[in-house]
Amino acid sequence: KAGVTQTPRYLIKTRGQQVTLSCSPISGHRSVSWYQQTPGQGLQFLFEYFSETQRNKGNFPGRFSGRQFSNSRSEMNVSTLELGDSALYLCASSLVGLPNYGYTFGSGTRLTVV
Amino acid sequence: AQTVTQSQPEMSVQEAETVTLSCTYDTSESDYYLFWYKQPPSRQMILVIRQEAYKQQNATENRFSVNFQKAAKSFSLKISDSQLGDAAMYFCAYRSGSGGGADGLTFGKGTHLIIQP
Repeated sequence: KAGVTQTPRYLIKTRGQQVTLSCSPISGHRSVSWYQQTPGQGLQFLFEYFSETQRNKGNFPGRFSGRQFSNSRSEMNVSTLELGDSALYLCASSLVGLPNYGYTFGSGTRLTVV
Repeated sequence: AQTVTQSQPEMSVQEAETVTLSCTYDTSESDYYLFWYKQPPSRQMILVIRQEAYKQQNATENRFSVNFQKAAKSFSLKISDSQLGDAAMYFCAYRSGSGGGADGLTFGKGTHLIIQP
């Protein structure tokens, strides 16, 4: 059974550019959430999608957005990149969007903004 | 808002010995879930163990067990018979049981566990 797949693994972008990251959840998982991991702030919740609907969003500016498709695959987009957006972006999927279910995480996309 | 605190940035233990990682959390909710995740250098977060707040019995998974003290808001992880493969960052995480859990996980800053051969 394939795990959570995130692409690309590494990405280098220039300040001001836009970036799109992709996440394919485990087959059958309908809930996808995104997290940003930095040395300074640690792991922070970005947003969660369930059945193509964003259920909640963390404390991030509007430059951070996402969506989920009918096959549960998800993308997150960051516009007008800033140096501080350099981070590991982790995607996690869950069978259903209930709190007692554990998440399965992908290996992340390492974004570097120069 | 909930907060999760891991007071030990780094811990070191001899192979085959037992180590306990600390975690405290702050919440006004009564319904929630607690998790320990492991993040090796491969970066993938791996679920180690899960505890439902309404269960008094401490969760165990093979060599991993927790000491869940709800009144004290403490959720420590005990690793018995430590192995070299246990070396990783360990994160304690909280998830609300209300609102369908849509708020995602709140993580602590992590504890870097070193296993000495």
